[in-house]
Amino acid sequence: QVQLQQSGPGLVKPSQTLSLTCAISGDSVSTNSAAWNWIRQSPSRGLEWLGRTYYRSTWVYQYGASVKGRVSISPDTSKNQFSLQLTSVTPEDTAVYYCARDPDISGWFGLDYWGQGTLVTVSS
Amino acid sequence: QSALTQPASVSGSPGQSITISCTGTSSDIGAHDHVSWYQQHPGKAPKLLIYRVTHRPSGVSDRFSGSKSGNSASLTISGLQADDEADYYCSSYTGSSTLVTFGGGTKLTVL
Repeated sequence: QVQLQQSGPGLVKPSQTLSLTCAISGDSVSTNSAAWNWIRQSPSRGLEWLGRTYYRSTWVYQYGASVKGRVSISPDTSKNQFSLQLTSVTPEDTAVYYCARDPDISGWFGLDYWGQGTLVTVSS
Repeated sequence: QSALTQPASVSGSPGQSITISCTGTSSDIGAHDHVSWYQQHPGKAPKLLIYRVTHRPSGVSDRFSGSKSGNSASLTISGLQADDEADYYCSSYTGSSTLVTFGGGTKLTVL
C-alpha cells in the first residue's frame, strides 16, 4: 500500500519561498514506472497541476505554465521523498497543496495515491 | 477559470442514476483517451474513480462508469447512495506543457 506523507509550513510570507516535502512509503521515488506530482486547490483556481518528476535513466521534470519559472520539484532518493519549491509567492498562491502519484507515466493515467494535503496561507 | 467545463451541481435520490458531464476541446479530451475522474469529500484528498476514460481502479465500485464522445466525457453513478454525496472532478491530459487540466468540479447532492 502506497502512502504519501506531506510536511512543511502552513504560513509563508509574501515574496518568500514555499517549501513542502512528500515522503513516500510502499513505492520508490526512483521507480521506472511512476511519476510524482504536485497539485494545489483553491476556491478561486480550483484544482491546478503544478508539475511532476520521474526517473527514466535520468530525472525528468515537467512544470505547469501557470507557475513555470517559479516552481521546482526535487527528488531525494536517500530519503525516498520529493519536494516542491515555489518562489516569490503572493496571496494568490494560498491553497491546499497535494502531492500525488501517477502510476503510469505514458501520457496520463490519473493520480491514484494522494498526500493528506497541506493548507498553505501566504500572508504577512 | 477551469479549462474543462462541468455543471456546478447535480442531484438525485437514493437508488437513482446521475450523469456528470465534462466538456473540453479537440486539444484535450478530444485528442487523448486520458480522462480521469475523482471524488472528493469535504476536507479530504481527491480519490481516483476512473482512469483512461472507462477504467476503474481496484476497489472502486462498479456503480461508477465513464465514457467519452468527441470533446466531452461523462461520469455515471448508478444506484445512488448517501455516501456518494461529494464533489466530482474530471481531468484530461493535454499534451502541452501544462500536462493535465481539471474541471471546475460538480457538487452531487443525494436527496
